[in-house]
Amino acid sequence: GAVVSQHPSWVICKSGTSVKIECRSLDFQATTMFWYRQFPKQSLMLMATSNEGSKATYEQGVEKDKFLINHASLTLSTLTVTSAHPEDSSFYICSAPYASGTQYFGPGTRLTVL
Amino acid sequence: GENVEQHPSTLSVQEGDSAVIKCTYSDSASNYFPWYKQELGKGPQLIIDIRSNVGEKKDQRIAVTLNKTAKHFSLHITETQPEDSAVYFCAAVVNNNDMRFGAGTRLTVKP
Repeated sequence: GAVVSQHPSWVICKSGTSVKIECRSLDFQATTMFWYRQFPKQSLMLMATSNEGSKATYEQGVEKDKFLINHASLTLSTLTVTSAHPEDSSFYICSAPYASGTQYFGPGTRLTVL
Repeated sequence: GENVEQHPSTLSVQEGDSAVIKCTYSDSASNYFPWYKQELGKGPQLIIDIRSNVGEKKDQRIAVTLNKTAKHFSLHITETQPEDSAVYFCAAVVNNNDMRFGAGTRLTVKP
């Protein structure tokens, strides 16, 4: 299957700082990528849809000024958690559609805000 | 929008037994139904999928069935092994990109 990578795999930061997470499609191009958030023992919740060359589309209740998304190229999308607080601690996962709805997920990034 | 319900939330089976996880969806426009396996601390991995023009699909020990009329689809794992233990998510996709997940099923296979 297609490969999607994420970096970093885990990050610990102080409250008030910003953290950037990268999502890359390694062997295919993706004009659209998706960002999910997952709390322990819960399902994946879609945060936003990242669109190459245009603004991201955010799900209801997700603050676009707090979760900045940039889809700079056909293989890279970034999620920046600005002014992070402990409640932002979570598992962040990206995905990219490979063909006709088949989505491949990255390995996830564990964010811990102290 | 699409609403996907998944049952059971937890499932424990003995090694070698079969496991069945069921999902229902609400949007009749959904046309693609993937199943993902997620191990602890990792991203979901696609294990099998089915499209709305097919009623059943099998890949070795894993099979998926789809009933479009009833709007439900199921994952069947036969001859379960301890390494099958994980959380399994079903999903329904509308218009190729709009994917909604079920709540997940934690499968435990006891050796």
